[in-house]
Amino acid sequence: AQSVTQLDSHVSVSEGTPVLLRCNYSSSYSPSLFWYVQHPNKGLQLLLKYTSAATLVKGINGFEAEFKKSETSFHLTKPSAHMSDAAEYFCVVNGPGAGSYQLTFGKGTKLSVIP
Amino acid sequence: GAGVSQSPSNKVTEKGKDVELRCDPISGHTALYWYRQRLGQGLEFLIYFQGNSAPDKSGLPSDRFSAERTGESVSTLTIQRTQQEDSAVYLCASSLNIDREQYFGPGTRLTVT
Repeated sequence: AQSVTQLDSHVSVSEGTPVLLRCNYSSSYSPSLFWYVQHPNKGLQLLLKYTSAATLVKGINGFEAEFKKSETSFHLTKPSAHMSDAAEYFCVVNGPGAGSYQLTFGKGTKLSVIP
Repeated sequence: GAGVSQSPSNKVTEKGKDVELRCDPISGHTALYWYRQRLGQGLEFLIYFQGNSAPDKSGLPSDRFSAERTGESVSTLTIQRTQQEDSAVYLCASSLNIDREQYFGPGTRLTVT
């Protein structure tokens, strides 16, 4: 079965410093991987997705993620945090089976940005 | 344009009562999904509708849960004889087609007392 593990439940960074949100996945097939963001009182929004094309994926708002098969990781990064980045971030894998529409979500990482 | 909407935003019900949750997908989206998010957990897939095809109900946790969709529009998720473990945020999403981005609604927070 497919699964994702978000290694930190809470990350706190200062404004202007880099952001790293860690995600490891487990899958028996070539997965599609996603990062979603949820701002307070807002719906989930897709940040970026990996679907077996380029391993470095660029998303919205300056975020990017790198798919590393050897490490089964899909960490989310941003060079410089902004106050508006404070939100909860979910790493997501599709499945069961490649091409599946079912999404399996991690438990989320809450990002705090300190002014 | 309008996004996915859900109603009610909050629902408090007594154990044993039935509840009905509503989802209005984005117009033109043929695929519709229901998910559940219990406190401290990631989202769990519940059910999927695609056009006139038979729905994928593989994620429904028990026969107390059911869902319907009218054509390619509104969907309702019904929970019968609610239990305290049903307390969660229920999220609806829609997509243009099976392999396109899922757009999520704001969710319905269900509390069973």
